[in-house]
Amino acid sequence: DAKTTQPTSMDCAEGRAANLPCNHSTISGNEYVYWYRQIHSQGPQYIIHGLKNNETNEMASLIITEDRKSSTLILPHATLRDTAVYYCIVKDFNKFYFGSGTKLNVKP
Amino acid sequence: SAVISQKPSRDICQRGTSLTIQCQVDSQVTMMFWYRQQPGQSLTLIATANQGSEATYESGFVIDKFPISRPNLTFSTLTVSNMSPEDSSIYLCSVELFTDTQYFGPGTRLTVL
Repeated sequence: DAKTTQPTSMDCAEGRAANLPCNHSTISGNEYVYWYRQIHSQGPQYIIHGLKNNETNEMASLIITEDRKSSTLILPHATLRDTAVYYCIVKDFNKFYFGSGTKLNVKP
Repeated sequence: SAVISQKPSRDICQRGTSLTIQCQVDSQVTMMFWYRQQPGQSLTLIATANQGSEATYESGFVIDKFPISRPNLTFSTLTVSNMSPEDSSIYLCSVELFTDTQYFGPGTRLTVL
């Protein structure tokens, strides 16, 4: 079963930062948090992952709280092409169990 | 990352028949996974396919219905057997690279009439 909970949907204005929260209160000390997105039933696309330090790459930033019980994915300047379902995943025995994800709607 | 292809990309099949879906990756990988995504739903893990061993199925999925082959480190197949309309879904394979990150194929969209 998925070890994460996310809001069902969020709206964001184009050009603004999109902040997507995720709760993973049962995460273990050596488990990573992964973020993927799925655009219109394509295969999920890897975005970023982290353990306890904040991470940044060309797509997004990942902020993990000090107690590691929650995290936030930040898309710094959302575009219409970022409209997708975003999944936050904690690996469970080397497997990914997907939750329902957050549908991000980027609006003009 | 990895380049993953799936064949067919989509198919329409009659109930009672079987379809074999192929997954090809451009590098050798130990762990491959098969998922199902029913219409409007999230992804559900079907099984883990490691080369040289039997596939490991998740609760609710059985080998008779979803036989899997993993003949080498770059290829796997998933068969959907004795199909019914409830099997209409997108089927996706993924691979895990040395970075402990999974990369997904484009999916196979199956419609069963």
